[in-house]
Amino acid sequence: SQQGEEDPQALSIQEGENATMNCSYKTSINNLQWYRQNSGRGLVHLILIRSNEREKHSGRLRVTLDTSKKSSSLLITASRAADTASYFCATDSGGSYIPTFGRGTSLIVHP
Amino acid sequence: KAGVTQTPRYLIKTRGQQVTLSCSPISGHRSVSWYQQTPGQGLQFLFEYFSETQRNKGNFPGRFSGRQFSNSRSEMNVSTLELGDSALYLCASRHGTGSLEQYFGPGTRLTVT
Repeated sequence: SQQGEEDPQALSIQEGENATMNCSYKTSINNLQWYRQNSGRGLVHLILIRSNEREKHSGRLRVTLDTSKKSSSLLITASRAADTASYFCATDSGGSYIPTFGRGTSLIVHP
Repeated sequence: KAGVTQTPRYLIKTRGQQVTLSCSPISGHRSVSWYQQTPGQGLQFLFEYFSETQRNKGNFPGRFSGRQFSNSRSEMNVSTLELGDSALYLCASRHGTGSLEQYFGPGTRLTVT
């Protein structure tokens, strides 16, 4: 079963625009991670945010976490065609550190 | 460092057969996890191995099994294949069970006919 659910399911934008995708989850978490998956390939880790953090940046990526609303957002600024991929949030809780993945947001960036 | 490798990359099997998939983690990583990815169910956790022991298990039937060798390489076996087992099987490694960031292999695309 999915813990996190991404929204929207699909997003289509032009190169240079910003892309925002959201993740909501149901139970308290230890950490939240965002991964990217290019078509039919393995996932690549983008960024991790811990439950006691509110915002993190990595290059063109900005992630926020609101534990009161049980939600996170991933902002990709100045999108490029190479950003076209599916983006997944993954949460872990308890002591196992096994991330549970959402169904992902499919992002298409048109050149 | 070389990344996570999975073999084979593509596989076609017939219903009722069994299949074994292989995963070699990043050098120094001792934890290997397996995931099943399908359009309908998304990414589902199968199991995790650390130091040749299964440490965590997802909600899959006993037809799905795995093992880990002393060099941390892992294999996953699915017996009595069903059409619904068609999926992308992803392997991920991390340094230890307390490490958060996972490194994924390219996956094995299994098609059951």
